[in-house]
Amino acid sequence: SAVISQKPSRDICQRGTSLTIQCQVDSQVTMMFWYRQQPGQSLTLIATANQGSEATYESGFVIDKFPISRPNLTFSTLTVSNMSPEDSSIYLCSVEAGFVTEAFFGQGTRLTVV
Amino acid sequence: GQNIDQPTEMTATEGAIVQINCTYQTSGFNGLFWYQQHAGEAPTFLSYNVLDGLEEKGRFSSFLSRSKGYSYLLLKELQMKDSASYLCAVKDSNYQLIWGAGTKLIIKP
Repeated sequence: SAVISQKPSRDICQRGTSLTIQCQVDSQVTMMFWYRQQPGQSLTLIATANQGSEATYESGFVIDKFPISRPNLTFSTLTVSNMSPEDSSIYLCSVEAGFVTEAFFGQGTRLTVV
Repeated sequence: GQNIDQPTEMTATEGAIVQINCTYQTSGFNGLFWYQQHAGEAPTFLSYNVLDGLEEKGRFSSFLSRSKGYSYLLLKELQMKDSASYLCAVKDSNYQLIWGAGTKLIIKP
């Protein structure tokens, strides 16, 4: 198993500003993922962040808007840039130890943009 | 396209049994996962099926039929704390998780 500490747990931000979300894992993991979840909806994958390579973004998400860092096997950040109210959502980081193992999640960041 | 369908909401009575269904259409299949998500919290892993049949884990069981693209999660002896959303997710041919929208389970006394 893996324990993930995600910060901040929630924030209220002004439009046009940026917020950086951090995830710290208690063990070394290769695969880390960033998701967005609107209330009552499914998890939407933003990007996959594997250490030693550039993050891979899903359709509809771009690096300029959601830059990701993955400096080592236990840490990653996601920045939500130039925020608008449409970015209000829950953001979750997740890790998987292998291709067919379960995913573990951070506690989530509830972001409100006003 | 890839698609996972599950009921939006279900209601059951404390002490009873409930079955939450999930059907999927994905490009490839490398396993099906069930997660529980309480309101305001992150999803937590419940079960994993990669072969056809039933996997039992305490009060929770999960069934898979790959030929039918179908799974269900069976919850027995329901407790109030089981009130949560239950997410079905499939790993596709690229080992990427495809998520269903979740089923909100409401338990009544």
